[in-house]
Amino acid sequence: NAGVTQTPKFRVLKTGQSMTLLCAQDMNHEYMYWYRQDPGMGLRLIHYSVGEGTTAKGEVPDGYNVSRLKKQNFLLGLESAAPSQTSVYFCASSQRATALYGYTFGSGTRLTVV
Amino acid sequence: AQKVTQAQTEISVVEKEDVTLDCVYETRDTTYYLFWYKQPPSGELVFLIRRNSFDEQNEISGRYSWNFQKSTSSFNFTITASQVVDSAVYFCALPHDSNYQLIWGAGTKLIIKP
Repeated sequence: NAGVTQTPKFRVLKTGQSMTLLCAQDMNHEYMYWYRQDPGMGLRLIHYSVGEGTTAKGEVPDGYNVSRLKKQNFLLGLESAAPSQTSVYFCASSQRATALYGYTFGSGTRLTVV
Repeated sequence: AQKVTQAQTEISVVEKEDVTLDCVYETRDTTYYLFWYKQPPSGELVFLIRRNSFDEQNEISGRYSWNFQKSTSSFNFTITASQVVDSAVYFCALPHDSNYQLIWGAGTKLIIKP
């Protein structure tokens, strides 16, 4: 049962560097999401996708880009990392076009930007 | 706008004590769902319960119980006879207007001391 797999699990970047976080799901879910988790703030939605080839902005999209070229993969990119992007990033997927049925989450990526 | 408030930042109790985690929400919707998730020290997010606003009966699952009171916009979570393994951060969440995402509380860190 792979579910939702995120890579890498940990990463340290220097300010200005770029990187891509990969999320892969094997449940044939249409909907995928990227959240960030910061201390004392709960989770905030960065971008989401309602299907292959589609993406949309969430609550905190600035500084991030995403792509959903294949149904099973949802990539989150940081073009020029900033210390404010130090966070734990969670990918999630859901079977239906709604959060009402809950998500399946990946195990998270801890990113530190120095 | 939707909002979820978890006023208790951290709670510490001794094993076998009962503990209640508070969740207060705001929504304009007349029907809605509420969620609780658990995040143990390992970091993953684990779905605990989804509750429909139609149903105000208390929910019980083993040592866990949930008290939903629409009149006070609260959806509180009680752990009876707490155990060290219950130590985690617990999040309450509410679907956004669009239903594509969840609005999360800031979380309550629960520490169960042996």
